Amino acid sequence: GAVVSQHPSRVICKSGTSVKIECRSLDFQATTMFWYRQFPKQSLMLMATSNEGSKATYEQGVEKDKFLINHASLTLSTLTVTSAHPEDSSFYICSARVTGTSVGETQYFGPGTRLLVL
Amino acid sequence: TQLLEQSPQFLSIQEGENLTVYCNSSSVFSSLQWYRQEPGEGPVLLVTVVTGGEVKKLKRLTFQFGDARKDSSLHITAAQPGDTGLYLCAGAWSGWGKLQFGAGTQVVVTP
Repeated sequence: GAVVSQHPSRVICKSGTSVKIECRSLDFQATTMFWYRQFPKQSLMLMATSNEGSKATYEQGVEKDKFLINHASLTLSTLTVTSAHPEDSSFYICSARVTGTSVGETQYFGPGTRLLVL
Repeated sequence: TQLLEQSPQFLSIQEGENLTVYCNSSSVFSSLQWYRQEPGEGPVLLVTVVTGGEVKKLKRLTFQFGDARKDSSLHITAAQPGDTGLYLCAGAWSGWGKLQFGAGTQVVVTP
């Protein structure tokens, strides 16, 4: 299957600082990537859809000025959590959309980034 | 409102037993994916089903897509401790790209 990487795998930062998370598709090109947030023992919550070369589309209730998304190339999308606060602590996961396969389309997920804001 | 209802929320069974996880919706999906996620890791794709009535097998795992493409099930035969994890179903609508996730089923298989 397709491989998606994320960096860093975990990060601890002070309140008020900004944190950038990278999501890369390693062996394929992805025009669309997605960013999710997951709380303990819960399912994934979609935050935004990242499209290469255009602005991201945010889900209702997600602050676009707080969670900046940039999809500058076909293999890289970044999520920047600006002025992070303790309530932003969570597990952030990205995925890349694959189309044109025998099963239509699907998403492959990165390993996730654990963010802890002190 | 959860568009995809997944049940049960939690399953604890002994090694060697069988289990079934259900995923139901009032929406018709163009495809449905099943993922397994372990703590601290991202979800790993198990299977994608596309055709109504489709049955796919992956070793001891059997996946079924309902005839109307609104529901799906995952059946594990002779479960092993390595099957422990959070199982997630996710439905997709053609051309839209987004996935609608179920709430997940936490499966624990004890030796």
